[in-house]
Amino acid sequence: NAGVTQTPKFRVLKTGQSMTLLCAQDMNHEYMYWYRQDPGMGLRLIHYSVGEGTTAKGEVPDGYNVSRLKKQNFLLGLESAAPSQTSVYFCASSYFSTTTEAFFGQGTRLTVV
Amino acid sequence: AQKVTQAQTEISVVEKEDVTLDCVYETRDTTYYLFWYKQPPSGELVFLIRRNSFDEQNEISGRYSWNFQKSTSSFNFTITASQVVDSAVYFCALSEARSGNTPLVFGKGTRLSVIA
Repeated sequence: NAGVTQTPKFRVLKTGQSMTLLCAQDMNHEYMYWYRQDPGMGLRLIHYSVGEGTTAKGEVPDGYNVSRLKKQNFLLGLESAAPSQTSVYFCASSYFSTTTEAFFGQGTRLTVV
Repeated sequence: AQKVTQAQTEISVVEKEDVTLDCVYETRDTTYYLFWYKQPPSGELVFLIRRNSFDEQNEISGRYSWNFQKSTSSFNFTITASQVVDSAVYFCALSEARSGNTPLVFGKGTRLSVIA
C-alpha cells in the first residue's frame, strides 16, 4: 500500500519557469491538501480539495493553482516560479473530513533560483 | 480564527530525561480536534494522536502521554525517558468541525534534540 506519493522529490527551477507537482493517493480518500513548510513557519495550507472536481484556497494560495480531475490525484501548479516559492511541499489526504487523521507524502523540495 | 501556538522553538535534553512539549490553541468552535505529528530528520510527517474536544481524558501510549486541558486551551505532549530516536520536530495541529470542516492548522513546531 503506497499511501500518498509525491512526484518529484526534488526540483530546481529558474525564476519564471513553470512546473506541476503531482500527488497521488491510493486510499480512496475524499480530502486532499497541499502544504508548504518553511523554516520557523510550520506547515501552511496552500490549497485543498474536499472531493473530485473541487478545490478551495488555503492560507497562502497566491502564485499557485491546483486541480483535482481524478479522486486519487491532486496537482499543484506554479505558473511563474519565484524565489519566495522555494520551500518543501507536502501533500496530504484524509478519508472523509478534515478532522480525521491526515496522511502525508514524503515531501518535494523545490528550489527556485 | 483558529490558531496553534508552540512557544518552544527548540528543546535539548539528555537521554532518559522526561520532556514536555507545549501546545496552546485558539478556537471559537465548540467541537474541534487536536493532533500531534512527528517529523524525524528523514522529513516525513508521522501521525501520533488525535483527540476531540469532548474527551479530556489524558492518554498514554508507551513512553508518550498527552494532557488535554480545555480550561487552559492546552494539549501538551510528554515523552518519558527520552531516547535519541525521539529527536525530531513535533507539530501540534487543530481542525474545527464546524460546517464544511476546516483543514488542519499547524503550530510552528518544536525541535527536540535528545543527546546521548
